[in-house]
Amino acid sequence: QSVLTQPPSVSGAPRQRVTISCSGSSSNIGNNAVNWYQQLPGKPPNLLIYYNDLLPSGVSDRFSGSKSGTSASLAISGLQSEDEADYYCAAWDDSLDGPVFGGGTKLTVL
Amino acid sequence: EVHLVESGGGLVQPGGSLRLSCAASGFTFTSYWMSWVRQAPGRGLEWVANIKQDGSEKYYVDSVKGRFTISRDNAKNSLYLQMNSLRVDDTAVYYCSRDGSSASFDFWGQGALVAVSP
Repeated sequence: QSVLTQPPSVSGAPRQRVTISCSGSSSNIGNNAVNWYQQLPGKPPNLLIYYNDLLPSGVSDRFSGSKSGTSASLAISGLQSEDEADYYCAAWDDSLDGPVFGGGTKLTVL
Repeated sequence: EVHLVESGGGLVQPGGSLRLSCAASGFTFTSYWMSWVRQAPGRGLEWVANIKQDGSEKYYVDSVKGRFTISRDNAKNSLYLQMNSLRVDDTAVYYCSRDGSSASFDFWGQGALVAVSP
């Protein structure tokens, strides 16, 4: 049971827009920044969004992040087959005094 | 270019020990916290431990406290994870990562597989 809650799976057709939610509490998302990771099959995770809505250098602007209260979302527009991957949210947890991850969401491009 | 290369993984029996190493290059190692993050087969990510730039502060997830020890050698640009009293549920790929603060891990190694089995 992960501290942050994500849907196990989402899907969308090419060129569509999908969103992935991440729900937490006041001890993590409510009081700290949210980060998102993309993990392609067989590869290590890659930082996709940091500090809620910032894109690291080299990440496509088709990806965007937002946060409101104790929840956050990752949006992917203009879906492409190469976006098929697992996506994880993460945030610092003040009660656990360490980083916590969501359980991950598998994105399928139909 | 940032590179993180893990080594030292393998198969070990329950109760055994293993030491993971991570060789870092392409950035100023002494400027960053470093972390170990693991992923059990078919499961999600779990932060394991992190260490401050000078090694003076170390933090662990509850499930490994007292069994795992994180350390670093700044002269060798290397990060380590000493794992003792290993359990079957420690089986995972262990990733070395550069810790950008507040759960922001901006670079990852390819991972080292640790399999704990009788």
